Amino acid sequence: KAGVTQTPRYLIKTRGQQVTLSCSPISGHRSVSWYQQTPGQGLQFLFEYFSETQRNKGNFPGRFSGRQFSNSRSEMNVSTLELGDSALYLCASSLSASGRETQYFGPGTRLLVL
Amino acid sequence: KNEVEQSPQNLTAQEGEFITINCSYSVGISALHWLQQHPGGGIVSLFMLSSGKKKHGRLIATINIQEKHSSLHITASHPRDSAVYICAVEGGAGSYQLTFGKGTKLSVIP
Repeated sequence: KAGVTQTPRYLIKTRGQQVTLSCSPISGHRSVSWYQQTPGQGLQFLFEYFSETQRNKGNFPGRFSGRQFSNSRSEMNVSTLELGDSALYLCASSLSASGRETQYFGPGTRLLVL
Repeated sequence: KNEVEQSPQNLTAQEGEFITINCSYSVGISALHWLQQHPGGGIVSLFMLSSGKKKHGRLIATINIQEKHSSLHITASHPRDSAVYICAVEGGAGSYQLTFGKGTKLSVIP
């Protein structure tokens, strides 16, 4: 079974631009979560989707948004990029509706904002 | 908001040593996850616990719900165990959000 895939793996953008990152979960997994990892703040939860619905959102500004498609693939978008958005963005998928499940992480997208 | 504390932050061990990493949290949870992150960023889920103890190979994870504390043990450590180990807690009552500790960087020297 293929693992979680994320594209692109590396990205360089300039301040003010926007970016879209993609995540394809493991086949059959319907929950997709997104996380941001920076050296200063560590790992932080962005949002979680299940069956095309956002169920939880972390404490990030509205510039960070996401969506999930009917095939469970998910995208996240960051508009008006700031230098502080430079980070590793990870997505993870799991089977269930109810939490308390192992999460399977993708390799991440490393975003550099100049 | 749940506060997750890990200790130690950094740990250097000789190959073969028994290693313990601790995690404590401030608010009741539905589950606790132990994750391993190697240089380059990839994260692997090691355990998901809601009570008791789990074992996988040389790794053992325990959780004490009353004391809001979990430990990850590595027996007979090996240089390939060198990684960052991260504790994450999952909130209860329909919240699927993970809150993470800052991680413990483990280096195992041959």
